[in-house]
Amino acid sequence: QQQVRQSPQSLTVWEGETAILNCSYEDSTFDYFPWYWQFPRESPALLIAIRPVSNKKEDGRFTIFFNKREKKLSLHITDSQPGDSATYFCAATQVVGQLTFGRGTRLQVYA
Amino acid sequence: GPKVLQIPSHQIIDMGQMVTLNCDPVSNHLYFYWYKQILGQQMEFLVNFYNGKVMEKSKLFKDQFSVERPDGSYFTLKIQPTALEDSAVYFCASSPDWGGAGEQYFGPGTRLTVL
Repeated sequence: QQQVRQSPQSLTVWEGETAILNCSYEDSTFDYFPWYWQFPRESPALLIAIRPVSNKKEDGRFTIFFNKREKKLSLHITDSQPGDSATYFCAATQVVGQLTFGRGTRLQVYA
Repeated sequence: GPKVLQIPSHQIIDMGQMVTLNCDPVSNHLYFYWYKQILGQQMEFLVNFYNGKVMEKSKLFKDQFSVERPDGSYFTLKIQPTALEDSAVYFCASSPDWGGAGEQYFGPGTRLTVL
């Protein structure tokens, strides 16, 4: 059973549009939700993260919206740029040190 | 930013052989991790390691797996003997402390193919 689910599997947007990447989780004891992005042939890197005490976390063009009751979160990328094209992984942790990952959303931004 | 290195980037071996995957973590980090990703699936936690000891391991961390970091050198994942289902990309990660669970820095992965 997948503990962390992501949708869509792939997403294409035009430059300047808002990309919305979705994530849901099963375990209500998860208490930290980082998003990682990975460019081809590079390492996954931490992009932005949120804790359930907040329902929103913003960092520039990247915003996480968090709904604890529904166990859902989403990553919004406003004014998408071709350089944002990457695979985005939603992750969660309940035990410090163990990240549980989703399968990722592959985002393509066309100019 | 801080970089985690992994050697080799690809490894092809025959089933039953031993393989050692090497990780060079960020220099001042104290906590080390291995994750496994089968093609098309999510990265899955294998094990974490601190102060010379395994702290936690998942059910994927079979008896054939072992980790060590002798004398502050590479953090290694050894599989002996290998099985076909061990074919995957193995990611190493490190973090500066235990509290930063999300602040794990990942290497580029080692793609292991077991024939």
